[in-house]
Amino acid sequence: GAGVSQTPSNKVTEKGKYVELRCDPISGHTALYWYRQSLGQGPEFLIYFQGTGAADDSGLPNDRFFAVRPEGSVSTLKIQRTERGDSAVYLCASAGETQYFGPGTRLLVL
Amino acid sequence: AQKVTQAQTEISVVEKEDVTLDCVYETRDTTYYLFWYKQPPSGELVFLIRRNSFDEQNEISGRYSWNFQKSTSSFNFTITASQVVDSAVYFCALSELSGGYNKLIFGAGTRLAVHP
Repeated sequence: GAGVSQTPSNKVTEKGKYVELRCDPISGHTALYWYRQSLGQGPEFLIYFQGTGAADDSGLPNDRFFAVRPEGSVSTLKIQRTERGDSAVYLCASAGETQYFGPGTRLLVL
Repeated sequence: AQKVTQAQTEISVVEKEDVTLDCVYETRDTTYYLFWYKQPPSGELVFLIRRNSFDEQNEISGRYSWNFQKSTSSFNFTITASQVVDSAVYFCALSELSGGYNKLIFGAGTRLAVHP
């Protein structure tokens, strides 16, 4: 079937605004991960879902970041009161034994 | 603490040269996985290989080969007869199995440029 898809591919917003980033995992994968990749760095773990529940959210940088996966499939990463430092590529991966990544959402906060 | 170090920030080679990308990792666990991913200019991370900590056999896949040595905590990646299409950023990653899932710890990546 199709791979992991993420929308939007690019998002430009102003400081202080709210954004939502969507991830559509590979069908049948129960595990879903969010990572953030800043320019010139490797991806950094944000949160892990097993089914509908967030089993590990230790990577979320602060309480402005939140993610949901209400039906155990599509996940949404939500960022409140965006800051310029939130600018990065947000990657989603779904997994059986191996994590397969989506193309990412490039977020730019002006 | 878990850590992955890719000391080579950038490598530049001419087509058909062999090139080795280094990866050194730190972990306290005895059970873990090691990975390599390729990130071409398009940005998507492409899975290349997964290796578990109990399997130290080297692996070859076409022009790609991997050398896993627990004694030196290294998992190096060699591309033989490099091609321009190999130009990308390559990431080594580590995951531990505590909790039954694979949270990946990535290195900073090595940017490989293959010139014609």
